[in-house]
Amino acid sequence: GAVVSQHPSRVICKSGTSVKIECRSLDFQATTMFWYRQFPKQSLMLMATSNEGSKATYEQGVEKDKFLINHASLTLSTLTVTSAHPEDSSFYICSASPSGGYNEQFFGPGTRLTVL
Amino acid sequence: ILNVEQSPQSLHVQEGDSTNFTCSFPSSNFYALHWYRWETAKSPEALFVMTLNGDEKKKGRISATLNTKEGYSYLYIKGSQPEDSATYLCAFRNTPLVFGKGTRLSVIA
Repeated sequence: GAVVSQHPSRVICKSGTSVKIECRSLDFQATTMFWYRQFPKQSLMLMATSNEGSKATYEQGVEKDKFLINHASLTLSTLTVTSAHPEDSSFYICSASPSGGYNEQFFGPGTRLTVL
Repeated sequence: ILNVEQSPQSLHVQEGDSTNFTCSFPSSNFYALHWYRWETAKSPEALFVMTLNGDEKKKGRISATLNTKEGYSYLYIKGSQPEDSATYLCAFRNTPLVFGKGTRLSVIA
């Protein structure tokens, strides 16, 4: 149980295009979903927290207009990287919490984004 | 800025060896420490959530201890097996979770 999927697993795009990443909880309802980013040799860093049906809360330094998050249902959250640039190339990983807190987070396998 | 340090960054051990690595975190305002196991191309998997000073938790051959007064946690693997090869992450519970960079373990058969 408690499986979270992410799609796509890998994406390469041209600079200036937008990329959408999906995060789905397959066998539970996720009150809260978290989006993280990991640059090479760095830690996972939280970008934003999204609760179903409400606006996402972004961490300091993360541009909400650039990283659009939609959490329209209890099993799906999407992250759209708008007008991607090479510096947005990173590993993006989501996690989902059935209880809404950090104590119980189930992670997806991540998405490797490369912007040319 | 909260700092969570993990050491070593990577290590190689022979199958059957026991090993351990460290997570250091701020000793003030402690709430919880999380350990995750992350195999390549898979999702991070929760191992332990540790909350009390002196806590010791065990899951099969893997165990963890916690010292909140001095700000460290140890993860031990007894009799390492190739399938233990993974990156082990710790995360300090704050708002948000603050992750270390991980310890990459390779177990050589």
